[in-house]
Amino acid sequence: EVQLVESGGGLVQPGGSLRLSCAASGFTFSNYWMSWVRQAPGKGLEWVAKIKPDGSEKYYVDSVKGRFTISRDNAEISLYLQMNSLRVEDTAVYYCARENHSFDYWGQGTLVTVSS
Amino acid sequence: EIVLTQSPATLSLSPGERATLSCRASQSVSSYLAWYQQKPGQAPRLLIYDASNRATGVPARFSGSGSGTDFTLTISSLEPEDFAVYYCQQRSDWYSFGQGTKLEIK
Repeated sequence: EVQLVESGGGLVQPGGSLRLSCAASGFTFSNYWMSWVRQAPGKGLEWVAKIKPDGSEKYYVDSVKGRFTISRDNAEISLYLQMNSLRVEDTAVYYCARENHSFDYWGQGTLVTVSS
Repeated sequence: EIVLTQSPATLSLSPGERATLSCRASQSVSSYLAWYQQKPGQAPRLLIYDASNRATGVPARFSGSGSGTDFTLTISSLEPEDFAVYYCQQRSDWYSFGQGTKLEIK
C-alpha cells in the first residue's frame, strides 16, 4: 500500500524557517518524480515544487523561488521541503504527492502557520 | 499561465441524480487534465487522469471526457459519499488547479 506521511509543520513567525519531511512507503520511491502541493485555509490547491527521481532537477512556482528548496534522500525514502523567509501568505496545509500521470497519491498534509 | 475555470461553483443535487461538472482551460491542455475529489479534512483523491482514465479503485459511476479546452466530470448516479469538493488540474504547462466545485446535498 502506498503511504506518504508528512511532518514538520507548525507555527513560525514571518521571516522564519521550517523544514517539512515526507516519509514514503509501499512503492519504489526512487522511480518517481515527487511534488509538494499546498492549500491555504478554505482555499484551493497550488503546486509548489517538484523533484526528479534522482534529485538532479528541481522546479518551483514563482512565488517560492529563492526561498524554498525541495530535496530528497532515496536511501531514506524521504522527501523534504526547506522553507526560508516565510511569509504570512505561505500559511497552508502542505501535501507531498507522487507524480504518475498526475498526482496519484497524497499524504495527509501538515499545517504551516506563519504569524506573529 | 493556464487558468482553469470550473462551473458551477456549487451544485445541489440529491442522491441518485446525475452530476455534471465542467472545467474550461484558458488555452489547450490537450488531454492532460485530471479530476480530484476532496472531503473536509482530507487530502485530495485522484479520480480521473488524462481526461478520461479512471484511477485505481475509482467506481465506474465516475467518468471524464473532453480534450483541448473543455472537460467534463460526470457522476452517473450520486451516492451519499460523493458529496465533496471537486478540482480539475492540468499538467500541459506546469501545473494549475481549478477553483473547485462544491457538490452538496439538496
